[in-house]
Order: sequence, then C-alpha cells, then structure tokens
Amino acid sequence: GDSVTQTEGLVTLTEGLPVMLNCTYQTIYSNPFLFWYVQHLNESPRLLLKSFTDNKRTEHQGFHATLHKSSSSFHLQKSSAQLSDSALYYCALSDMNYNQGKLIFGQGTKLSIKP
Amino acid sequence: NAGVIQTPRHKVTGKGQEATLWCEPISGHSAVFWYRQTIVQGLEFLTYFRNQAPIDDSGMPKERFSAQMPNQSHSTLKIQSTQPQDSAVYLCASSAHRGNTGQLYFGEGSKLTVL
Repeated sequence: GDSVTQTEGLVTLTEGLPVMLNCTYQTIYSNPFLFWYVQHLNESPRLLLKSFTDNKRTEHQGFHATLHKSSSSFHLQKSSAQLSDSALYYCALSDMNYNQGKLIFGQGTKLSIKP
Repeated sequence: NAGVIQTPRHKVTGKGQEATLWCEPISGHSAVFWYRQTIVQGLEFLTYFRNQAPIDDSGMPKERFSAQMPNQSHSTLKIQSTQPQDSAVYLCASSAHRGNTGQLYFGEGSKLTVL
C-alpha cells in the first residue's frame, strides 16, 4: 500500500541555520500529490505547501520543497530557521486521480529551534 | 468561516465504556475525514465520507469503531467498549470536493483518555 517515510523523529537546530526535513514515499499511483502540514503546539495541523508537478519547486512562508518522482522524495527546506518554526511537521501523500483527498501521513518530524 | 468544529474537546472514559465524538465540517465541504493522532503512530487515517456516503473505512478497527454521517453538517465517531490503547487525539477534517486539491482543514481535535 501507499506509505510515507520521514526518517527523523526529532531535529534540533540553532536559529539561523538551514532546515531540511526528509520525506520519501511509496505509491502505486502515477500521479502522487505531496503535502507538508505543520502543527504548532496545541494547534491542529494546517497545510504548509503542496505539489504534484515533478521537478518544480514550490514555496510558502519561507519554506520550499521540490517533488522528485525519480527518487520518490519531497524534502522540506528553509534557508534560515526561526524560533517560530518549532513545530511538528508531517509529510503526506494523496493520489490526484483516485481517492483524492484521503491523505497518508508520515510519522512526523518534530523541529526544535534553539536560540 | 467557523472552521471544523469538534466536540467534546476532552473526554475521559472508563475502560469498557462508550465514547462518541462529533464533528461539524466547514459549510459547503463535501468530504469529511477522521484521523487518530498519537505520539507513537502519528496521524493515522480512520475513515472518510464524501457527500455523506462512506467511501473508505480501511483504517477503522472493525470491531469497536463506527462512523456515521447522517447529514452534510454532522459526522460522529463512536467507540464501543473503550480500551486504554484507544487514548488519542481524534481529528476530524473536511475538504471541498469540487476543485479539490487534497487540502484538508482540520478541527482542533477531541482528546480521548481511557482510564
């Protein structure tokens, strides 16, 4: 079945350093739709960015990610971490053509930014 | 727009008791999803409805969990004979069907604690 893998459970960084959170996926569908959701403490998950276009960079709120179908990856990056980036980040997968809307989430990566 | 509304926000039950969780999706959204969130498992898909019809309940523990959507503004998740391992935050989400790009809008969740 479909699955999403986030290899890091916890990432701790100093403010100002670059952020990279890994996400790889497995799916039988040819048109995967990838998402990053962010969940701050005591809040519900909300969409950060999304993409279904191969090799095209998508950006939002200083974060960016590029879907690479050849490597089944959708890593999240930011050039300079801020304290307010501390949160739980989920990578998620859906299929554009079938079961659209049902998201399969990875385990989540907790990002902790230190001053 | 009020967002997805979930009640109760917190529920404590004794082992073996029943728990019912309610969800009111965003007005006009035709798809409703239920997820379970725990520290260990992350966000697990349970079930979803589109235009009130059950589409996929592949994530539901079959014996004790059931979900209904009696009208377009209301969905319930019922857990019979609750067990300590059912303790989790249950998140409801909705999405628009027409022009759907897979974005889910989550409620604040119902935290269930089974003693």
